[in-house]
Amino acid sequence: DAGVIQSPRHEVTEMGQEVTLRCKPISGHNSLFWYRQTMMRGLELLIYFNNNVPIDDSGMPEDRFSAKMPNASFSTLKIQPSEPRDSAVYFCASSIQAGRNSPLHFGNGTRLTVT
Amino acid sequence: GNSVTQMEGPVTLSEEAFLTINCTYTATGYPSLFWYVQYPGEGLQLLLKATKADDKGSNKGFEATYRKETTSFHLEKGSVQVSDSAVYFCALSESGGYQKVTFGTGTKLQVIP
Repeated sequence: DAGVIQSPRHEVTEMGQEVTLRCKPISGHNSLFWYRQTMMRGLELLIYFNNNVPIDDSGMPEDRFSAKMPNASFSTLKIQPSEPRDSAVYFCASSIQAGRNSPLHFGNGTRLTVT
Repeated sequence: GNSVTQMEGPVTLSEEAFLTINCTYTATGYPSLFWYVQYPGEGLQLLLKATKADDKGSNKGFEATYRKETTSFHLEKGSVQVSDSAVYFCALSESGGYQKVTFGTGTKLQVIP
């Protein structure tokens, strides 16, 4: 079990630049989640996919944020243009959709710093 | 809406001390309850879960009992180790089709030798 794989682990960019974060969920999992973690706001759900289809994107903060899941083994979260307040750790998580009892499996996150 | 309230940290304990981290929740229906642990530089990982009232989840010496009457899911461990130092998150998963998870704010535990 390779776990959820995220890349890059760290990203430092300048304000106004485009940032793309990547995620490979665990094989066989059909639910995928993007979270953002900051000291001030804790863990925030950004978007949730089920079978590659976005189900709930109400947590996406602004139009600058977009997420895609072109197939069952890959998802991206894009920020364009980036701003300093986007600095956070971004986590991807996946689960087997077997009802409410299924735990989330998290990647190790991408630490984004926007200067 | 649903919510999870955890005791604020940080919690500092000496090795072999007894640990309790309080967690209470508000939810409609019959949620599943979880404790996740986050070690420095890593993502959250499942520690234990309970899916119905009076269930006890346990793992690695940690325990928590789903108390519907008090809407609580307190985490306990009889004797903590330095390696237990981490941030602990209480969470609930809604009943119904959409597997939305609500997390608490996390409680940082530091165990000193």
